[in-house]
Amino acid sequence: GEDVEQSLFLSVREGDSSVINCTYTDSSSTYLYWYKQEPGAGLQLLTYIFSNMDMKQDQRLTVLLNKKDKHLSLRIADTQTGDSAIYFCAERWAGTASKLTFGTGTRLQVTL
Amino acid sequence: KAGVTQTPRYLIKTRGQQVTLSCSPISGHRSVSWYQQTPGQGLQFLFEYFSETQRNKGNFPGRFSGRQFSNSRSEMNVSTLELGDSALYLCASSSNPTSNTEAFFGQGTRLTVV
Repeated sequence: GEDVEQSLFLSVREGDSSVINCTYTDSSSTYLYWYKQEPGAGLQLLTYIFSNMDMKQDQRLTVLLNKKDKHLSLRIADTQTGDSAIYFCAERWAGTASKLTFGTGTRLQVTL
Repeated sequence: KAGVTQTPRYLIKTRGQQVTLSCSPISGHRSVSWYQQTPGQGLQFLFEYFSETQRNKGNFPGRFSGRQFSNSRSEMNVSTLELGDSALYLCASSSNPTSNTEAFFGQGTRLTVV
């Protein structure tokens, strides 16, 4: 079955690191993604990781993948107020780039 | 390079009516997928098109349909609208459904059914 879970809310202070977690159940996933959604907007692709990788770093973003536990995390270093948004993890099955199963989304609130 | 364009951005319809939403993918992209986003159900996959053919379909009633044209633009249609169809409808494009890793989303069409 396909089920992707995330915690609903995270609050961090500006300048701190944020860690958003995600668990998934489908072991046939090939790619795992992080998307950002700001109020009234669509989804912005932040980064993705191939399922045979453990880690991927892209500027302030670090993605960690524990395939054994089916756990994915997104770390945002030096979190800014502009990072306030809802963050979705998503998994994709082999053979399709556009059929994604999304998590419930984590609302990140950045306080001063 | 222009992103994914969805029209209209906002729409208000009455129960029982039908609606057509449009999506123009990124130039050169041939795969288009549609998603419904609601507060209760989150983001749910509707269908995926590639080269004018539906490749995958989500678990939605037959009132939801779509098509893709030879220029890769896609439309989705919802007939006999219900209040529960009120949602943000998002379209995603990618260059190829099997080899490409990234799907890029449009801004969405917010449909309100009254």
